[in-house]
Amino acid sequence: DVKVTQSSRYLVKRTGEKVFLECVQDMDHENMFWYRQDPGLGLRLIYFSYDVKMKEKGDIPEGYSVSREKKERFSLILESASTNQTSMYLCASSLRAVGELFFGEGSRLTVL
Amino acid sequence: RKEVEQDPGPFNVPEGATVAFNCTYSNSASQSFFWYRQDCRKEPKLLMSVYSSGNEDGRFTAQLNRASQYISLLIRDSKLSDSATYLCVVSANTGNQFYFGTGTSLTVIP
Repeated sequence: DVKVTQSSRYLVKRTGEKVFLECVQDMDHENMFWYRQDPGLGLRLIYFSYDVKMKEKGDIPEGYSVSREKKERFSLILESASTNQTSMYLCASSLRAVGELFFGEGSRLTVL
Repeated sequence: RKEVEQDPGPFNVPEGATVAFNCTYSNSASQSFFWYRQDCRKEPKLLMSVYSSGNEDGRFTAQLNRASQYISLLIRDSKLSDSATYLCVVSANTGNQFYFGTGTSLTVIP
């Protein structure tokens, strides 16, 4: 069974803290994505990666960075968390550019 | 203009009813189309891909109209377990990007 695993389901952090969200997929997919989902706004793309060490900005990259050192792992980093980054973060992967997206269970981050 | 637009609903329908959702997209170069289902506080999961010829999976039928740039999802004989948010997803062949609608909320009432 295919699987995308996110390291933390629920996190509570303080303003200014550095936050790491980890995502691992076991399907040998080239493409990996980080989204955030907020009520009324839907899913918005933060960053995506189509290969190891490659990354592309999505629609809302400000305040975030990513790392893809290995094919199966894509990390999202909040260098200095702010309250407006309180959200549900979803990692996804796909085999091809237009193939099915597989999602992790999500990481619900609260920044106080 | 948003890449993908959906009526957010909510749609509240009785069990056994037929309900239809539409979704419009703005990029005429879009190549792939999907409906995802998302339960409350869970991740989206693929419900069905949408093909040019239309496709059916049990009580669910998806259609694509390229000329008018919309896709639709029809659910027949609604069940309580169909209650969820349905996301329309569109992808072009460029940029490795998928575009999501904001979702349509469905509640099936006993």
